[in-house]
Amino acid sequence: QVQLQQSGPGLVKPSQTLSLTCTISGDSVSSNSAAWNWIRQSPSRGLEWLGRTYYRSKWYNDYAVSVKSRITIKPDTSKNQFSLQLNSVTPEDTAVYYCTKRGPVTEAYDIWGQGTMVTVSS
Amino acid sequence: QSVLTQPPSVSGAPGQRVTISCTGGSSDIGAGYDVHWYQQLPGTAPELLIYRNNNRPSGVPDRFSGSKSATSASLAITGLQAEDEAYYYCQSYDSSVTTWVFGGGTKLTVL
Repeated sequence: QVQLQQSGPGLVKPSQTLSLTCTISGDSVSSNSAAWNWIRQSPSRGLEWLGRTYYRSKWYNDYAVSVKSRITIKPDTSKNQFSLQLNSVTPEDTAVYYCTKRGPVTEAYDIWGQGTMVTVSS
Repeated sequence: QSVLTQPPSVSGAPGQRVTISCTGGSSDIGAGYDVHWYQQLPGTAPELLIYRNNNRPSGVPDRFSGSKSATSASLAITGLQAEDEAYYYCQSYDSSVTTWVFGGGTKLTVL
């Protein structure tokens, strides 16, 4: 059974970097059929896909246009994790952040992490 | 403002049938991209309810069903139960912005 466990701080100061990690159990970040995503949810923006990393003989990343200049999603194969870094945060980035797996059969986000409430405030 | 439009709320009595609509456009649902549905209970992460328009993951009761046509999709729930009270979100892909997109969510109230 695949599970995703998120970790990272819940408070980030404006202009600093938001960093979260998602640890995978029951699957591999190097899977040739899954994709590993970050999605956030806020009252003002709803559910918003941020980006993904996936392995198909080599590593690929895709990012939402809205955050493309500020975001990095990286796999860590030694720890079976993937991470999110969002630079130059503002209060608009305050949200619940979720890591998710997009499965090859469903082609949907079929596994979600528990969510991390991140507040951007001084 | 969401790309996919859902009604903010729907309601029904126990045992009744309700439907939730999800309206898109020519670059998302109308372009042939699949629609998925998620259920979010208070204080929890969304969970996959329907995938690829009309398929249920194992463990999801057959009271839940999905359909898709032209530029819209629908989620139907029959035999409403108190535990169905939650937010429901549709999701698809928008080729105009090359991004996976969600509806704004619908709150289902069981009267």
